[in-house]
Amino acid sequence: GQNIDQPTEMTATEGAIVQINCTYQTSGFNGLFWYQQHAGEAPTFLSYNVLDGLEEKGRFSSFLSRSKGYSYLLLKELQMKDSASYLCAAMDSNYQLIWGAGTKLIIKP
Amino acid sequence: GAVVSQHPSRVICKSGTSVKIECRSLDFQATTMFWYRQFPKKSLMLMATSNEGSKATYEQGVEKDKFLINHASLTLSTLTVTSAHPEDSSFYICSASIRETGELFFGEGSRLTVL
Repeated sequence: GQNIDQPTEMTATEGAIVQINCTYQTSGFNGLFWYQQHAGEAPTFLSYNVLDGLEEKGRFSSFLSRSKGYSYLLLKELQMKDSASYLCAAMDSNYQLIWGAGTKLIIKP
Repeated sequence: GAVVSQHPSRVICKSGTSVKIECRSLDFQATTMFWYRQFPKKSLMLMATSNEGSKATYEQGVEKDKFLINHASLTLSTLTVTSAHPEDSSFYICSASIRETGELFFGEGSRLTVL
């Protein structure tokens, strides 16, 4: 079956670095997405990886290893506003998105 | 970037009535749109995939007759919650994909409250 696994909750300190991992199993693969969602709001797009390696966008970076079915989202210089849920989603061969349950990130001062 | 507009953002209705939620892609043509439901403190639950000009594909457990989805044009999909009940109260979100890149853009979401 198709499955996405990511931790339920993580806690980090303001100014620090945190890595949120995601493993996936899908029928075919057309990319891995990361979204940020604040409570009560719709998700916003963070990154898209379809090739192996690291993509950097400012304080956020996303990594993909297709052979391992593994991705991570790296957040540097954490700010209080980064407190949110981070959703990992993999796109299968039919261009359907398989969603993880989300990782709630709590930032402490 | 691409914009997806969802309307209304909030709606309150009486039990037994029907409510229509619109999802529009403002600056691109979306051959595929998705409808999700989100319960408090939960991740997105895909309800159905809507392809322009054809019937929507519903996920297991989603009542087709209750949640009517229409994708009449490349820029508009609608979700109609028929004969709404209090348990239908939820946050409904749509998204649209750009086929060339696979990137997905979300609407702002619609919070439905059924009294």
